[in-house]
Amino acid sequence: GQQLNQNPQSMFIQEGEDVSMNCTSSSIFNTWLWYKQDPGEGPVLLIALYKAGELTSNGRLTAQFGITRKDSFLNISASIPSDVGIYFCAGPQNNAGNMLTFGGGTRLMVKP
Amino acid sequence: DSGVTQTPKHLITATGQRVTLRCSPRSGDLSVYWYQQSLDQGLQFLIQYYNGEERAKGNILERFSAQQFPDLHSELNLSSLELGDSALYFCASSQNTGSMRYTFGSGTRLTVV
Repeated sequence: GQQLNQNPQSMFIQEGEDVSMNCTSSSIFNTWLWYKQDPGEGPVLLIALYKAGELTSNGRLTAQFGITRKDSFLNISASIPSDVGIYFCAGPQNNAGNMLTFGGGTRLMVKP
Repeated sequence: DSGVTQTPKHLITATGQRVTLRCSPRSGDLSVYWYQQSLDQGLQFLIQYYNGEERAKGNILERFSAQQFPDLHSELNLSSLELGDSALYFCASSQNTGSMRYTFGSGTRLTVV
């Protein structure tokens, strides 16, 4: 089945730094989504991308749909302590229906 | 509050037992999804219901079953529990079968001892 690989698996950064993470797949995706999971909570949708090359922002977060359609990137600018959590990429399983496959997540820790 | 309600928040039970997890979707959402999140497997899709009918099955064990009731709430039944079933179980909902914009609940943490 499809697998989504996220890198890095974890990051420990200083408050104020910019963050970059990515998600890659062996197969093409026609939609990419980025979710954030706070400790003890369920994932929350941050950004959805629907077209190759698309660049979408949500506040300090910017995500891009890779041109090859096999990858996506999430950047966070000027990180703050509340950015702590696990960031997941997701895409439709087998590019059919709306069941999502999730990546393994990138755990972000921010030092004040 | 996401609008998706899951109960209970925590559950501790013994091996061999059976438990029921409950989910109320966000108002207006017809589609419900169940996911299992364990440390070594990440978020794994279990099953989807839409307006009372099963729509898709993922990596759901035969010991597990689910249903969606006329009021759209859903229950996930886990039986003959094993230690390896310990995980977070999330319910998510979306408006219809075409939307990938899921709203997740806060999850039920199941511990099998």
